Amino acid sequence: DAGVTQSPTHLIKTRGQQVTLRCSPISGHKSVSWYQQVLGQGPQFIFQYYEKEERGRGNFPDRFSARQFPNYSSELNVNALLLGDSALYLCASSDSWGTGNTIYFGEGSWLTVV
Amino acid sequence: QKEVEQDPGPLSVPEGAIVSLNCTYSNSAFQYFMWYRQYSRKGPELLMYTYSSGNKEDGRFTAQVDKSSKYISLFIRDSQPSDSATYLCAPGGATNKLIFGTGTLLAVQP
Repeated sequence: DAGVTQSPTHLIKTRGQQVTLRCSPISGHKSVSWYQQVLGQGPQFIFQYYEKEERGRGNFPDRFSARQFPNYSSELNVNALLLGDSALYLCASSDSWGTGNTIYFGEGSWLTVV
Repeated sequence: QKEVEQDPGPLSVPEGAIVSLNCTYSNSAFQYFMWYRQYSRKGPELLMYTYSSGNKEDGRFTAQVDKSSKYISLFIRDSQPSDSATYLCAPGGATNKLIFGTGTLLAVQP
């Protein structure tokens, strides 16, 4: 079975531009989360969706937005890119909501802002 | 104070050594505890998952949780060069949100 798949794997954007990152969860998984991992740090929580509803939001500016589609795939959008947005963006999926669900990560999308 | 503190390393050990990786956390609401392994420029790979205080063993890996002292550990026995990676502890609470430590970079020397 395919794991969590993310696209694109690498991209370079210019300051001020907008970017859309895509994620397909493991088949049957209904919960998707997004994390940002800056070099040398652990992943930091951005958004969480379950059954197409936002269930959690981390401490990120409004330039960051996300949505989940009826097929449970998800997009993360970042507007007005800053140099500090350069990071590995990780998507994670789990089969349900609540305590104790096993959470699996994709390989991530490497974003470089120049 | 950070919710999760993890020794950043780097940690270098000879092949065959026992490795101890440690995290402390401050939030009593954390109910389950995951360890992820992350190879360079790859996504985190789930290694161990525990839900209560005590030990959980899986092959060469043992995860230990002490909720009373808010301390979690991962032990690796008979370490191999292929274990060289960054290890991330990640407690979670009532939702699917994980709080990660900064990660410990481990190098196992052949």
